[in-house]
Amino acid sequence: GAGVSQSPSNKVTEKGKDVELRCDPISGHTALYWYRQSLGQGLEFLIYFQGNSAPDKSGLPSDRFSAERTGGSVSTLTIQRTQQEDSAVYLCASAGGTGGYEKLFFGSGTQLSVL
Amino acid sequence: GESVGLHLPTLSVQEGDNSIINCAYSNSASDYFIWYKQESGKGPQFIIDIRSNMDKRQGQRVTVLLNKTVKHLSLQIAATQPGDSAVYFCAEISGNTPLVFGKGTRLSVIA
Repeated sequence: GAGVSQSPSNKVTEKGKDVELRCDPISGHTALYWYRQSLGQGLEFLIYFQGNSAPDKSGLPSDRFSAERTGGSVSTLTIQRTQQEDSAVYLCASAGGTGGYEKLFFGSGTQLSVL
Repeated sequence: GESVGLHLPTLSVQEGDNSIINCAYSNSASDYFIWYKQESGKGPQFIIDIRSNMDKRQGQRVTVLLNKTVKHLSLQIAATQPGDSAVYFCAEISGNTPLVFGKGTRLSVIA
Protein backbone atom coordinates (compact mmCIF):
# COMPACT_ATOMS: atom_id res chain seq x y z
CA GLY A 1 0.00 0.00 0.00
CA ALA A 2 0.97 3.64 -0.31
CA GLY A 3 0.40 4.66 3.29
CA VAL A 4 2.11 4.12 6.64
CA SER A 5 1.41 0.67 7.98
CA GLN A 6 1.53 -0.29 11.65
CA SER A 7 1.27 -3.69 13.23
CA PRO A 8 -0.30 -5.08 15.23
CA SER A 9 -3.37 -2.88 15.30
CA ASN A 10 -4.15 -4.11 18.81
CA LYS A 11 -1.90 -5.65 21.43
CA VAL A 12 -2.92 -6.92 24.82
CA THR A 13 -0.11 -7.90 27.14
CA GLU A 14 0.50 -8.64 30.77
CA LYS A 15 2.38 -6.31 33.05
CA GLY A 16 6.09 -7.06 32.94
CA LYS A 17 6.13 -8.51 29.43
CA ASP A 18 8.06 -6.97 26.54
CA VAL A 19 6.29 -5.79 23.39
CA GLU A 20 7.42 -4.82 19.91
CA LEU A 21 5.47 -2.49 17.69
CA ARG A 22 6.24 -2.23 14.00
CA CYS A 23 6.00 0.63 11.54
CA ASP A 24 6.39 0.49 7.76
CA PRO A 25 6.77 4.06 6.53
CA ILE A 26 6.01 5.39 3.07
CA SER A 27 8.76 4.43 0.67
CA GLY A 28 11.27 7.24 0.18
CA HIS A 29 10.38 9.07 3.38
CA THR A 30 13.52 9.77 5.35
CA ALA A 31 11.83 11.08 8.50
CA LEU A 32 10.04 8.73 10.88
CA TYR A 33 8.32 9.57 14.15
CA TRP A 34 6.80 7.65 17.02
CA TYR A 35 4.14 9.32 19.13
CA ARG A 36 2.02 8.08 22.01
CA GLN A 37 -1.58 9.13 22.57
CA SER A 38 -3.62 8.34 25.65
CA LEU A 39 -7.41 8.35 25.40
CA GLY A 40 -8.71 11.83 24.74
CA GLN A 41 -5.26 13.34 25.01
CA GLY A 42 -2.73 14.95 22.70
CA LEU A 43 0.25 13.50 20.89
CA GLU A 44 3.26 12.79 23.04
CA PHE A 45 6.48 12.79 21.05
CA LEU A 46 8.67 9.74 21.65
CA ILE A 47 11.43 9.49 19.08
CA TYR A 48 12.42 10.91 15.69
CA PHE A 49 14.60 9.39 12.97
CA GLN A 50 15.90 11.53 10.12
CA GLY A 51 17.99 9.88 7.43
CA ASN A 52 21.33 8.67 8.72
CA SER A 53 21.44 11.13 11.61
CA ALA A 54 21.42 9.96 15.21
CA PRO A 55 17.80 9.63 16.34
CA ASP A 56 16.28 12.23 18.64
CA LYS A 57 15.30 10.16 21.67
CA SER A 58 14.41 13.10 23.87
CA GLY A 59 10.77 12.06 24.19
CA LEU A 60 11.28 8.50 25.41
CA PRO A 61 9.71 8.37 28.88
CA SER A 62 12.09 5.82 30.39
CA ASP A 63 14.91 3.45 29.53
CA ARG A 64 12.31 0.71 29.08
CA PHE A 65 11.49 2.32 25.73
CA SER A 66 13.74 1.95 22.72
CA ALA A 67 13.36 2.13 18.96
CA GLU A 68 15.39 1.30 15.93
CA ARG A 69 15.07 1.88 12.25
CA THR A 70 16.68 -0.67 10.02
CA GLY A 71 17.98 0.27 6.58
CA GLY A 72 16.28 3.65 6.77
CA SER A 73 12.88 2.04 6.39
CA VAL A 74 11.04 -0.20 8.85
CA SER A 75 11.04 0.87 12.50
CA THR A 76 10.39 -1.11 15.65
CA LEU A 77 9.41 0.41 18.98
CA THR A 78 10.20 -1.87 21.91
CA ILE A 79 8.78 -1.50 25.39
CA GLN A 80 10.40 -3.69 28.00
CA ARG A 81 8.76 -4.76 31.25
CA THR A 82 5.50 -3.08 30.32
CA GLN A 83 3.54 -1.19 32.96
CA GLN A 84 -0.15 -0.32 33.04
CA GLU A 85 0.65 3.34 32.41
CA ASP A 86 2.14 2.30 29.05
CA SER A 87 -1.40 1.60 27.80
CA ALA A 88 -2.08 3.98 24.93
CA VAL A 89 -2.24 4.23 21.17
CA TYR A 90 1.21 4.29 19.63
CA LEU A 91 1.28 6.22 16.37
CA CYS A 92 3.98 6.16 13.73
CA ALA A 93 4.37 8.83 11.06
CA SER A 94 6.74 9.40 8.17
CA ALA A 95 7.62 12.46 6.14
CA GLY A 96 9.98 13.68 3.45
CA GLY A 97 10.37 13.09 -0.24
CA THR A 98 8.38 15.57 -2.29
CA GLY A 99 5.87 16.24 0.46
CA GLY A 100 8.10 18.22 2.78
CA TYR A 101 9.07 17.43 6.34
CA GLU A 102 6.17 19.35 7.84
CA LYS A 103 3.63 17.06 6.23
CA LEU A 104 3.49 13.90 8.30
CA PHE A 105 1.63 10.84 7.17
CA PHE A 106 0.32 8.77 10.06
CA GLY A 107 -0.48 5.14 10.41
CA SER A 108 -3.64 4.02 12.18
CA GLY A 109 -1.71 3.21 15.32
CA THR A 110 -1.27 0.27 17.65
CA GLN A 111 -3.62 0.16 20.61
CA LEU A 112 -1.57 -1.23 23.50
CA SER A 113 -3.36 -2.51 26.57
CA VAL A 114 -1.29 -3.63 29.54
CA LEU A 115 -3.25 -5.71 32.03
CA GLY B 1 10.92 24.58 27.21
CA GLU B 2 9.11 26.10 24.27
CA SER B 3 5.76 24.61 23.38
CA VAL B 4 2.69 24.90 21.26
CA GLY B 5 -0.61 25.35 23.07
CA LEU B 6 -4.27 25.97 22.44
CA HIS B 7 -6.78 28.45 23.85
CA LEU B 8 -9.93 26.31 23.70
CA PRO B 9 -10.15 22.58 24.38
CA THR B 10 -13.67 22.20 22.91
CA LEU B 11 -15.69 24.05 20.32
CA SER B 12 -19.31 23.48 19.32
CA VAL B 13 -20.49 25.00 16.06
CA GLN B 14 -23.78 24.94 14.21
CA GLU B 15 -23.67 23.24 10.82
CA GLY B 16 -23.15 25.84 8.11
CA ASP B 17 -21.47 28.33 10.41
CA ASN B 18 -17.79 29.19 10.25
CA SER B 19 -15.39 27.71 12.81
CA ILE B 20 -12.28 29.31 14.20
CA ILE B 21 -9.74 27.24 16.11
CA ASN B 22 -6.91 29.06 17.82
CA CYS B 23 -3.39 28.16 18.83
CA ALA B 24 -0.62 30.00 20.64
CA TYR B 25 3.01 29.17 20.03
CA SER B 26 6.22 30.25 21.69
CA ASN B 27 9.02 29.23 19.33
CA SER B 28 9.52 32.25 17.10
CA ALA B 29 12.19 30.34 15.14
CA SER B 30 9.76 27.78 13.70
CA ASP B 31 9.81 27.46 9.92
CA TYR B 32 6.36 26.03 9.40
CA PHE B 33 3.10 25.97 11.27
CA ILE B 34 0.71 23.20 10.46
CA TRP B 35 -2.84 22.05 11.21
CA TYR B 36 -3.81 18.42 11.51
CA LYS B 37 -7.24 16.82 11.85
CA GLN B 38 -7.79 13.62 13.79
CA GLU B 39 -11.02 11.70 13.44
CA SER B 40 -12.01 9.09 15.97
CA GLY B 41 -9.97 5.92 15.68
CA LYS B 42 -7.60 7.30 13.07
CA GLY B 43 -4.20 8.91 12.95
CA PRO B 44 -3.95 12.67 12.42
CA GLN B 45 -4.23 13.92 8.85
CA PHE B 46 -2.48 16.96 7.40
CA ILE B 47 -4.86 19.80 6.54
CA ILE B 48 -2.83 22.86 5.70
CA ASP B 49 0.45 24.54 6.55
CA ILE B 50 1.92 28.00 6.42
CA ARG B 51 5.50 29.14 6.20
CA SER B 52 6.76 31.52 8.82
CA ASN B 53 7.20 34.30 6.24
CA MET B 54 3.50 34.30 5.35
CA ASP B 55 0.49 35.56 7.29
CA LYS B 56 -2.36 33.88 5.45
CA ARG B 57 -2.90 30.82 3.36
CA GLN B 58 -6.13 29.47 1.94
CA GLY B 59 -7.16 25.97 1.05
CA GLN B 60 -10.44 24.36 0.23
CA ARG B 61 -12.87 25.74 2.86
CA VAL B 62 -9.96 26.32 5.24
CA THR B 63 -7.80 29.34 5.91
CA VAL B 64 -4.80 29.53 8.21
CA LEU B 65 -3.75 32.84 9.68
CA LEU B 66 -0.40 33.50 11.29
CA ASN B 67 0.21 36.49 13.52
CA LYS B 68 3.88 36.52 14.41
CA THR B 69 3.56 39.66 16.50
CA VAL B 70 1.46 37.90 19.12
CA LYS B 71 2.61 34.36 18.22
CA HIS B 72 -0.87 33.22 17.31
CA LEU B 73 -2.10 30.74 14.73
CA SER B 74 -5.69 30.10 13.73
CA LEU B 75 -7.60 27.74 11.50
CA GLN B 76 -10.82 28.95 9.95
CA ILE B 77 -13.25 26.45 8.49
CA ALA B 78 -15.97 27.88 6.27
CA ALA B 79 -19.49 26.44 6.21
CA THR B 80 -18.70 23.79 8.80
CA GLN B 81 -20.06 20.36 8.00
CA PRO B 82 -20.70 17.29 10.19
CA GLY B 83 -17.66 15.65 8.61
CA ASP B 84 -15.50 18.40 10.11
CA SER B 85 -16.16 17.02 13.61
CA ALA B 86 -12.77 15.92 14.89
CA VAL B 87 -9.87 16.97 17.08
CA TYR B 88 -7.68 19.61 15.50
CA PHE B 89 -4.01 19.95 16.39
CA CYS B 90 -1.68 22.76 15.57
CA ALA B 91 1.98 21.92 15.16
CA GLU B 92 5.27 23.60 14.41
CA ILE B 93 8.58 22.57 12.99
CA SER B 94 11.97 24.21 12.87
CA GLY B 95 14.89 22.98 10.79
CA ASN B 96 15.71 19.38 11.56
CA THR B 97 14.03 19.35 14.95
CA PRO B 98 11.03 17.08 15.50
CA LEU B 99 7.58 18.41 14.71
CA VAL B 100 5.85 19.48 17.94
CA PHE B 101 2.09 19.17 18.42
CA GLY B 102 -0.21 21.28 20.55
CA LYS B 103 -2.81 19.77 22.88
CA GLY B 104 -5.73 19.76 20.44
CA THR B 105 -9.22 21.23 20.18
CA ARG B 106 -12.29 19.07 19.76
CA LEU B 107 -14.70 20.48 17.20
CA SER B 108 -18.29 19.30 17.44
CA VAL B 109 -20.66 20.23 14.64
CA ILE B 110 -24.30 20.49 15.62
CA ALA B 111 -26.66 19.44 12.83
